Amino acid sequence: DAGVTQSPTHLIKTRGQHVTLRCSPISGHKSVSWYQQVLGQGPQFIFQYYEKEERGRGNFPDRFSARQFPNYSSELNVNALLLGDSALYLCASSLEGGLAFDEQFFGPGTRLTVL
Amino acid sequence: DQQVKQNSPSLSVQEGRISILNCDYTNSMFDYFLWYKKYPAEGPTFLISISSIKDKNEDGRFTVFLNKSAKHLSLHIVPSQPGDSAVYFCAALFPNTGNQFYFGTGTSLTVIP
Repeated sequence: DAGVTQSPTHLIKTRGQHVTLRCSPISGHKSVSWYQQVLGQGPQFIFQYYEKEERGRGNFPDRFSARQFPNYSSELNVNALLLGDSALYLCASSLEGGLAFDEQFFGPGTRLTVL
Repeated sequence: DQQVKQNSPSLSVQEGRISILNCDYTNSMFDYFLWYKKYPAEGPTFLISISSIKDKNEDGRFTVFLNKSAKHLSLHIVPSQPGDSAVYFCAALFPNTGNQFYFGTGTSLTVIP
């Protein structure tokens, strides 16, 4: 079975542009979460989606948005890119998206570089 | 504001010896803790977890210890193997927040053959 897949693998953008990152969860998983990992830091929670509804949002500006589609895949959008948005963006999927912990499976990430 | 901290960026251990990775947290409201392992070019993979109602959890070569009074947890790997060489992240959860993890900054473990 395929794990969590993310596209693209690498991306280079310039300041002010917008970017869309994509994630396909493990088959049967209904929840997707997004994390930003800046070099030298741990992953930082951005969003969690479950059944197309936002279940949680981290401390990120409104330039960051996401959505989940009926097939449970997800997109993360970042507008007006800043140099500080350069990071590895990780997507994770889990079976459910309830209030209790549910084991997450991470994709390999998308490396975004903003010049 | 880093609520979960791993103060050792790197650790080197001889094969067969014990590896001890440490993690400190600042918020006593965290009630669930996890360790993830990450190889280069791969996403983190779940290793072991512990609830705040316990002080120890074992899974094969891996044991996690939780000291709530000190707000400290540690991961013990015995015996260490070269394949354990990776970056290890600890993570914490508040109650009823699903999978909104707070991760530490990671410790890079190198197991020397």
